[in-house]
Amino acid sequence: EDQVTQSPEALRLQEGESSSLNCSYTVSGLRGLFWYRQDPGKGPEFLFTLYSAGEEKEKERLKATLTKKESFLHITAPKPEDSATYLCAAQSTSGTYKYIFGTGTRLKVLA
Amino acid sequence: GAVVSQHPSRVICKSGTSVKIECRSLDFQATTMFWYRQFPKKSLMLMATSNEGSKATYEQGVEKDKFLINHASLTLSTLTVTSAHPEDSSFYICSAIPGLAGNYEQYFGPGTRLTVT
Repeated sequence: EDQVTQSPEALRLQEGESSSLNCSYTVSGLRGLFWYRQDPGKGPEFLFTLYSAGEEKEKERLKATLTKKESFLHITAPKPEDSATYLCAAQSTSGTYKYIFGTGTRLKVLA
Repeated sequence: GAVVSQHPSRVICKSGTSVKIECRSLDFQATTMFWYRQFPKKSLMLMATSNEGSKATYEQGVEKDKFLINHASLTLSTLTVTSAHPEDSSFYICSAIPGLAGNYEQYFGPGTRLTVT
């Protein structure tokens, strides 16, 4: 069965304290691995798409990487405005465009 | 680019009434749209996949007759919650795929908060 697991469930960081969020996935064939940011009461905001192992993408303080079993979202020198829930989702090659979502990591960055 | 809107953003209705939520892709055509439900501090739960011009595909456990989905055009999908009850209160989010070759990313709307009293 296709499955996506995120860890940790919640993370508190001091401003400037770098860390990584993990997304482990099991899908029959990976079409894409997606990262989103979600603020309370809002819809998810697209961050990155990764398609193949070894691929990396960067945006400001965020960097996403992909292996054959997991993806990492690295946050370098985070700021309080990076506080949000980060969601990853896997899309399989099964013929539909459905996402399999992880449960998310709630990040809190303290000033 | 790739902006998705939802209307209304918040709605309060009485038990037994029906509520319609609209999802529009503003700057692209979307052959496929999705409807999700999200409970507090939980991830998104897929309710159904909506394809333009055809019947929606519902996930297991989602009542088709209660959650009516219509995808009448390439930029509009609607979700109607029929005979709403307090347990239907939730945050409903739609997403859309541009459908361009190689672009499988879902772009999400801002969500609709439904409260049934």
